[in-house]
Amino acid sequence: DAKTTQPTSMDCAEGRAANLPCNHSTISGNEYVYWYRQIHSQGPQYIIHGLKNNETNEMASLIITEDRKSSTLILPHATLRDTAVYYCIVTDFNKFYFGSGTKLNVKP
Amino acid sequence: DVKVTQSSRYLVKRTGEKVFLECVQDMDHENMFWYRQDPGLGLRLIYFSYDVKMKEKGDIPEGYSVSREKKERFSLILESASTNQTSMYLCASRPGESNQPQHFGDGTRLSIL
Repeated sequence: DAKTTQPTSMDCAEGRAANLPCNHSTISGNEYVYWYRQIHSQGPQYIIHGLKNNETNEMASLIITEDRKSSTLILPHATLRDTAVYYCIVTDFNKFYFGSGTKLNVKP
Repeated sequence: DVKVTQSSRYLVKRTGEKVFLECVQDMDHENMFWYRQDPGLGLRLIYFSYDVKMKEKGDIPEGYSVSREKKERFSLILESASTNQTSMYLCASRPGESNQPQHFGDGTRLSIL
C-alpha cells in the first residue's frame, strides 16, 4: 500500500521552478521520504531523500514540513527533459511502494 | 555512479517456456530486487534478496522464482510463462545501510505470446 498522496498531474513552464507536493500523514518516526522520477520506457531514477531536514543536491531540493506529514520536491529551473512521472515514497526498510505519482508536464 | 544492468531491453517468449531475466549491479550492493510494472498498478515487488543465496517473497511472488548465486547477480525465473506475465520487469539494488536509496535498471519489456 502506497503511504503517499500526490496530484495526478501538474504543468510547469520551462525555466520556472516546479514544486511537486506529497502528503504522507501516516509517516512514522524512522521512515524516510524518497523521490524518484520515471521517464517513459526507462527505469525509475533516484532524485533525493531525507528524514526530517531539508535536503539539496544537484538535481533538486526536498522540503519536509516540521510535522513530517508532507513534503515538496523542488526542481529549481525545469527543462523539457524534466517531463516525467515523479514518485514520492516513504519507507523504513526495503519495501519501496510506488504509487501512481505525479505526471509533470514541462511546457515551452 | 551506480550501474544496474538488465540483460535484455525487449524479450518475446511463448506460453509455457521457462524464462530467465538477468540483472547485474557493479556497486557491491547487498540488497537486490525484482519488480514488475503494469499500467494502473504501479510497481509491484516480486522478490528481493539481502545476501547471496538469500531471498524473500515480495507482494506477488506466484509464478516466479529467483536465484542469487553471486552478490552482483540476481536472476528472475518464470517457471512456465503465461500471458498474464507480459509486463515491464525492473531490477534494483541498494547497499545494506537502511536509509540508502534503491537504484534501478532500465527494465526488460517481456511479451509472452
